Amino acid sequence: EPEVTQTPSHQVTQMGQEVILRCVPISNHLYFYWYRQILGQKVEFLVSFYNNEISEKSEIFDDQFSVERPDGSNFTLKIRSTKLEDSAMYFCASSRTGQGSEQYFGPGTRLTVT
Amino acid sequence: GQSLEQPSEVTAVEGAIVQINCTYQTSGFYGLSWYQQHDGGAPTFLSYNGLDGLEETGRFSSFLSRSDSYGYLLLQELQMKDSASYFCAVRDRNAGNMLTFGGGTRLMVKP
Repeated sequence: EPEVTQTPSHQVTQMGQEVILRCVPISNHLYFYWYRQILGQKVEFLVSFYNNEISEKSEIFDDQFSVERPDGSNFTLKIRSTKLEDSAMYFCASSRTGQGSEQYFGPGTRLTVT
Repeated sequence: GQSLEQPSEVTAVEGAIVQINCTYQTSGFYGLSWYQQHDGGAPTFLSYNGLDGLEETGRFSSFLSRSDSYGYLLLQELQMKDSASYFCAVRDRNAGNMLTFGGGTRLMVKP
């Protein structure tokens, strides 16, 4: 069964450093998403991406964040200058249609900012 | 904006039936989804309701009443492996494809 993959599984970085989280969505999916989940809290939407551009973004997704689809398979989230409060689990998700009802989540990248 | 309310924790015994409720507020409701998340794992899609009524998928069913802004997830014949957090999530037609998640209900299944 096809699945969303993410690398790395765990990233430790120092405050102020740039990090890039990588995702490979399911191959025939057209809509891609990033969510984050701070430990013990709910899943929060960051951004959605379709047709090589951002379609929606939340208030969390400020100028420090960017997304890119550098090739036909990868989907990346970059945080330019990490802050302590960026420590969270980051989930990539994809869906075949834009209905948004059934999104397939990757296993997540745990980001720890020290 | 959107907001969702669900109980923080529910406990039930193996073999029983449990219902997890979700009430929501959103200006342009499009649909209600349910996701399961085991500790340390990723959310996994369980069910979706776009129209009023009951959707059944094996041991799990989900119900929606748009007039009451209310839905629930029903889990039957509970198994120990059902111990997990369950999140309801809404899609708002004014917010594109984003899902807004509730705070999650932690289900503990006891023997």
